[in-house]
Amino acid sequence: QQKVQQSPESLTVSEGAMASLNCTFSDGTSNNFRWYRQHSAKGLEVLVSIFSDGEKEEGRFTAHLNRANLHVSLHIREPQPSDSAVYLCAVSSNYAQGLTFGLGTRVSVFP
Amino acid sequence: AQTIHQWPVAEIKAVGSPLSLGCTIKGKSSPNLYWYWQATGGTLQQLFYSITVGQVESVVQLNLSASRPKDDQFILSTEKLLLSHSGFYLCAWTGNTEVFFGKGTRLTVV
Repeated sequence: QQKVQQSPESLTVSEGAMASLNCTFSDGTSNNFRWYRQHSAKGLEVLVSIFSDGEKEEGRFTAHLNRANLHVSLHIREPQPSDSAVYLCAVSSNYAQGLTFGLGTRVSVFP
Repeated sequence: AQTIHQWPVAEIKAVGSPLSLGCTIKGKSSPNLYWYWQATGGTLQQLFYSITVGQVESVVQLNLSASRPKDDQFILSTEKLLLSHSGFYLCAWTGNTEVFFGKGTRLTVV
């Protein structure tokens, strides 16, 4: 069964500094990966979806995928206080069967 | 454009009472549908998924059941709520490469 682990559990960054989040997964056949953001247990906001090794950029959010290392990361460029939220990594190896989520990283951005 | 609607937005229910949460997708035929649940402070866990009308697969056992009575409708229910059922419930559907989530239902069991 797929296991998804995120690190760190929480992250505090200054406004404008780069924020880096990590996600490891256990199923080497995984083929789609997503980063979501969740403000105070509300709905999910998709940030980046990535399906092949390498880098994918969406605005200030960049995901890096290395399937051989079972690792996907998210980098937030020039974070702002409004970026403070819980960031969730989601992985799937069988698209029809849905996503497995990590526990999340709580990001706090201070001015 | 496709839309996903969940109801109710929030619910406060007594232990032992029945529950029915709904999800409707408009603008997409034969979507794959999913129910996810998030306990307070926890991560999202997939509960059920459905690929077609009348067919539902259970992923996690939480004394809940799900049904898909119509192509665009997914229902989550139980006859007797437990305190542990409290949390945030999200419905989702998958498109070609993307997963779309509803805005969720917050359930408090007292």
